[in-house]
Amino acid sequence: GENVEQHPSTLSVQEGDSAVIKCTYSDSASNYFPWYKQELGKGPQLIIDIRSNVGEKKDQRIAVTLNKTAKHFSLHITETQPEDSAVYFCAASIGSGGSYIPTFGRGTSLIVHP
Amino acid sequence: EAGVTQSPTHLIKTRGQQATLRCSPISGHTSVYWYQQALGLGLQFLLWYDEGEERNRGNFPPRFSGRQFPNYSSELNVNALELEDSALYLCASSLASSTQYFGPGTRLLVL
Repeated sequence: GENVEQHPSTLSVQEGDSAVIKCTYSDSASNYFPWYKQELGKGPQLIIDIRSNVGEKKDQRIAVTLNKTAKHFSLHITETQPEDSAVYFCAASIGSGGSYIPTFGRGTSLIVHP
Repeated sequence: EAGVTQSPTHLIKTRGQQATLRCSPISGHTSVYWYQQALGLGLQFLLWYDEGEERNRGNFPPRFSGRQFPNYSSELNVNALELEDSALYLCASSLASSTQYFGPGTRLLVL
């Protein structure tokens, strides 16, 4: 089955710095890669996703890059703000047809210091 | 439009008891997924229901079960509770095989 590794487990940055979270996956058939943000006491919320026919996607201060050959994808947050502090999860799945069960990474706790 | 809702928000049980958790998906979504999020372990897939049928289950014992009702809401039942069942239980819904949207979760504490 699919295996997703996520690093680092904890990331501490100063407000205004950039933050990068990296994930690797094992199943070359995976073609859908969502990222979720989970704030304390809440469920995960989708923040951005990318499909395997795209190498990069941006949404304001958030971007995701995908390297299919190396089987890794990354989340980039620029100009971090204290409200970006949360746990971030990456996931990988075969997004069309079949049993769409994403495999999640173990999460990265991002702390943004004011 | 209302998101995924779950009830109760918190649940306290003792070892050996049964717990029932409920989930209402986003209107129009037919698939419901259940995950267990134990401290430090990320999200572990439990069950997937679609159109009233169980489509897949994760690596959990049979005492974890559930069902999906005709209105697509779902129930997760955990029998013979054990201390290690203490976790946040998350429900997600989706339309066919597409992006999953999560609810706020039910925090289960087994004493």
